[in-house]
This record gives sequence, structure tokens and C-alpha cells, in this order.
Amino acid sequence: KAGVTQTPRYLIKTRGQQVTLSCSPISGHRSVSWYQQTPGQGLQFLFEYFSETQRNKGNFPGRFSGRQFSNSRSEMNVSTLELGDSALYLCASSLYLGTSGSGSYNEQFFGPGTRLTVL
Amino acid sequence: DQQVKQNSPSLSVQEGRISILNCDYTNSMFDYFLWYKKYPAEGPTFLISISSIKDKNEDGRFTVFLNKSAKHLSLHIVPSQPGDSAVYFCAAGYGGATNKLIFGTGTLLAVQP
Repeated sequence: KAGVTQTPRYLIKTRGQQVTLSCSPISGHRSVSWYQQTPGQGLQFLFEYFSETQRNKGNFPGRFSGRQFSNSRSEMNVSTLELGDSALYLCASSLYLGTSGSGSYNEQFFGPGTRLTVL
Repeated sequence: DQQVKQNSPSLSVQEGRISILNCDYTNSMFDYFLWYKKYPAEGPTFLISISSIKDKNEDGRFTVFLNKSAKHLSLHIVPSQPGDSAVYFCAAGYGGATNKLIFGTGTLLAVQP
């Protein structure tokens, strides 16, 4: 079974530009979450999608947006890029949203990330 | 406000010995906790989890301990192997209808041969 794929793997942009990152979840997975990883900050939650609907959003400015398509693939967009947006952007997919009916943890599988550099 | 903290940025251990990675949290509403392992140029890989109603979970060489009164969890790796060298993140989840995780800043574990 193929894992989570993210494209592109590396990206260099300049301030003020916009960027779109893509995430293809594991086949059959319907939930996609996005995280930003910066040095010293760990991974910070951006947003999560399930069945084409944004279900939860982290504390990021409106320049960060996303969407999910009917095939569960997801994109995130960052407009008016700033130097501080340089980071590793990770997406994670899982079968469903939240804990199962029995309360079991719903494992998430991460992609390799997209390294965005803003100059 | 850092709700999940890993106060040790790095840890060095000899091969065959025990590695203990620590994590503290502030929010008593977390429903479960996890440890992820990350190699450079790869995404985090799930290692082990523990529900907030348990105090210990074991999986092979990995054991996670949860002390709810102290709001502290730890990951024990016994015995440590050079292939365990990576960045380890602890994370916490709220449960309910969300997969949102709150991550710590990570601990770089180096296992010396």
C-alpha cells in the first residue's frame, strides 16, 4: 500500500508570492491534517479535513487556507508569503476522524513533507 | 502557550542501555498521548500511544508511562540500538471528533555504538 505523498518536496519562493502544496493520502483514508514544523517550535496544527469539509483549524492567519477534494486529496495554500513561513509542511492521513466507537486512538500516517523556503 | 513540552533538546545514550525521553503537559483535557519518531527528510512515524486512563503501555522495546497527577509521560527504550537515533516527538490528542495533535518540540536521541 502506498504511503502519504506530498508534492513538491522542495520549494523556493520569494516574499509576497503565493504557494500551493499538495497531499495525497493513503488509499481509503478520508481524513487529512496539515502541520507546520519550524526549528524550536515542533509541529503546529494548521487544519484538518474530512469528507471535503474543514473540521478544525489551528491558530494561523487567514493567509493559510486549504481544501479537500472528493478523492480525499488535499491542498494547502499560503498567500502573500513572509520569511517566517519558511518551514517543513507535513500532512497526515487517517481512516476516519477522531477516536473510534470503542475509544481507540485513530492512527495518523505522515507524509515526507514539503520544505518551503521563502527568500 | 506550549501545552506539551519536551525540556531536553537532546540525549546521548550508549548502545544496549536504556533511553528515557520525557514529556510534560499542562492541559488535563488530553485524552491520549503518543510518541513519534522522525528521521531527517522523512515524516514522523508513529511509535506507541497511551490512553489517559492507563498508566503504562508496552510494545516490544518501547514502553510509555503516564503519570496523570504530575502531567508527565516518558518513553523508555530498552535496549537502545544505533538505529533508534532520531528525533522523538511526544504529542497529545483531545479525543472526540478531531485528529488534531499538540506536539512537543522534540528530543534528538543519539545512541552511540
